[in-house]
Amino acid sequence: AQSVTQPDIHITVSEGASLELRCNYSYGATPYLFWYVQSPGQGLQLLLKYFSGDTLVQGIKGFEAEFKRSQSSFNLRKPSVHWSDAAEYFCAVGAVLMYSGGGADGLTFGKGTHLIIQP
Amino acid sequence: NAGVTQTPKFQVLKTGQSMTLQCAQDMNHNSMYWYRQDPGMGLRLIYYSASEGTTDKGEVPNGYNVSRLNKREFSLRLESAAPSQTSVYFCASSEWQPHNYGYTFGSGTRLTVV
Repeated sequence: AQSVTQPDIHITVSEGASLELRCNYSYGATPYLFWYVQSPGQGLQLLLKYFSGDTLVQGIKGFEAEFKRSQSSFNLRKPSVHWSDAAEYFCAVGAVLMYSGGGADGLTFGKGTHLIIQP
Repeated sequence: NAGVTQTPKFQVLKTGQSMTLQCAQDMNHNSMYWYRQDPGMGLRLIYYSASEGTTDKGEVPNGYNVSRLNKREFSLRLESAAPSQTSVYFCASSEWQPHNYGYTFGSGTRLTVV
């Protein structure tokens, strides 16, 4: 079974500083990997995703993530954070069921990292 | 706007009551899902439907049933609500073409069981 670990429950960063959120996954084949952001009381917004190709993926809002197969990691980075980046961040891994007409059996989410931005 | 629509957005139930959460998508996606979100737990998969006509249990199916009514609609039913089912419920659908893959989430249903 697949699993996702986000080691940091809370991270505090000063506005303008760089950010790295860690994500490690366990999956037997090549995974689909995602990062989502959730502001309080809101739904999930996709930041970026990866399946194949260039291992450095660019997303929205200035975020990027790097897939490292040897480390089973998909860490999220941003060079300079803004106060509006304060939110909950979720890493997720998924798979495609080729025998179900290309359907999928759902994403497995990490427990999330709460990002706090200090002025 | 295209997307996933969930109803209702908020609901308060008494213990033992039943209710159905509705979900519809207009993107012609094959797969649909129900998740619950609890503080510190991330999102956990309750049930999914990989394609029309099929449903399968996810990580936390106990106390729930689902119906894939057609390709567009996937409902979640609580037969006898319990306080442990107080949560935020998200419906999602997915597309898995080689160069166009991903999930679309609804805005959530906040359910309180008293």
